[in-house]
Amino acid sequence: GESVGLHLPTLSVQEGDNSIINCAYSNSASDYFIWYKQESGKGPQFIIDIRSNMDKRQGQRVTVLLNKTVKHLSLQIAATQPGDSAVYFCAETNQAGTALIFGKGTTLSVSS
Amino acid sequence: DVKVTQSSRYLVKRTGEKVFLECVQDMDHENMFWYRQDPGLGLRLIYFSYDVKMKEKGDIPEGYSVSREKKERFSLILESASTNQTSMYLCASSLPDSDNTEAFFGQGTRLTVV
Repeated sequence: GESVGLHLPTLSVQEGDNSIINCAYSNSASDYFIWYKQESGKGPQFIIDIRSNMDKRQGQRVTVLLNKTVKHLSLQIAATQPGDSAVYFCAETNQAGTALIFGKGTTLSVSS
Repeated sequence: DVKVTQSSRYLVKRTGEKVFLECVQDMDHENMFWYRQDPGLGLRLIYFSYDVKMKEKGDIPEGYSVSREKKERFSLILESASTNQTSMYLCASSLPDSDNTEAFFGQGTRLTVV
């Protein structure tokens, strides 16, 4: 069945470091991927997305990389700040393209 | 500013009760979704709807039903609540999949079944 997974459930970094959060997906037909950030007590919020016709997309301090050959997605956060502490989810469209399927999440902890 | 509103932040219900979780969006989105979030399992799709009165089962629909009588409102129904339905429930909405399929989430409803 479809599944989207993350390599590590937790990641701890120092303030100012660059963070890399990884995700493996299983549906080779997926054409749309999203990264969400969920802070404590809140719903997930969109960070950045990428379509399958791209392999890299940059936002403000964040970059998403897509490697379709190995079905791997990563989120890079530059100069990580304490406010980046949250749970990060990757998501892909399901087989029908009608809903998002989420990974299990990685908890990012940033220490000063 | 886009908004998805879930009627309750916290709910405590008894086993066997019928439970309604309400969600309203003000973005005129066609698609609406219900997920549950559990530690170590991420978000799992329960049901979704792509139009009024239309519904589709997600990955874990057992024990749940939904209602979409109006475009802006999507209700999740637990016909007979059980303790294994204690969870965080998240509602989301999005444009049709022919457009940007980013989903916007509500704040979540933490349901405890005792």
